[in-house]
Amino acid sequence: SQTIHQWPATLVQPVGSPLSLECTVEGTSNPNLYWYRQAAGRGLQLLFYSVGIGQISSEVPQNLSASRPQDRQFILSSKKLLLSDSGFYLCAWSATAATNEKLFFGSGTQLSVL
Amino acid sequence: RKEVEQDPGPFNVPEGATVAFNCTYSNSASQSFFWYRQDCRKEPKLLMSVYSSGNEDGRFTAQLNRASQYISLLIRDSKLSDSATYLCVVNIKANQAGTALIFGKGTTLSVSS
Repeated sequence: SQTIHQWPATLVQPVGSPLSLECTVEGTSNPNLYWYRQAAGRGLQLLFYSVGIGQISSEVPQNLSASRPQDRQFILSSKKLLLSDSGFYLCAWSATAATNEKLFFGSGTQLSVL
Repeated sequence: RKEVEQDPGPFNVPEGATVAFNCTYSNSASQSFFWYRQDCRKEPKLLMSVYSSGNEDGRFTAQLNRASQYISLLIRDSKLSDSATYLCVVNIKANQAGTALIFGKGTTLSVSS
């Protein structure tokens, strides 16, 4: 069966510090991978998605970047965190690019930038 | 108009009640629809897909009205464990770059004994 792992679960970082969140998927090949952010009281916002190694699409301009160095690994990074980067970050995967494909989420990382 | 809109609630109902949530979407080209459930500080989990003809899964019934661009979720015989936030999700892209699902902000349900 397929599983998705995301870590760490919680993170407290000072403003201006770097960030690296990692996500890995097991039990499937060539998944579509996604990073979402959920700010307090707001809906999930799609940040990045990837259909293959080295292929990254960004949905919103921001202080963050994403990379996919391996087929089942997706990394969210920042060189200098801002207060506004605080939120609940969720990695997700889907099997194909079909329009009715379901998303499966990792357990999330609660990031607090102070 | 926002892409996906939901009444945030909260809906406070007693056990055994029937409760309905509605969701509207703005993109008439949307092709797929889902309801996800999210517990506090947890990841969203797929509750059910929504099909044009309507579909039922136990106590849950989902319906789609394409003409009016709204989706509904009906929960019968509410349980305490149904307390959560219910997210309406709509697909607004269908291209080689992958499925891009747009999430509503969610409707919060609280079931009390």
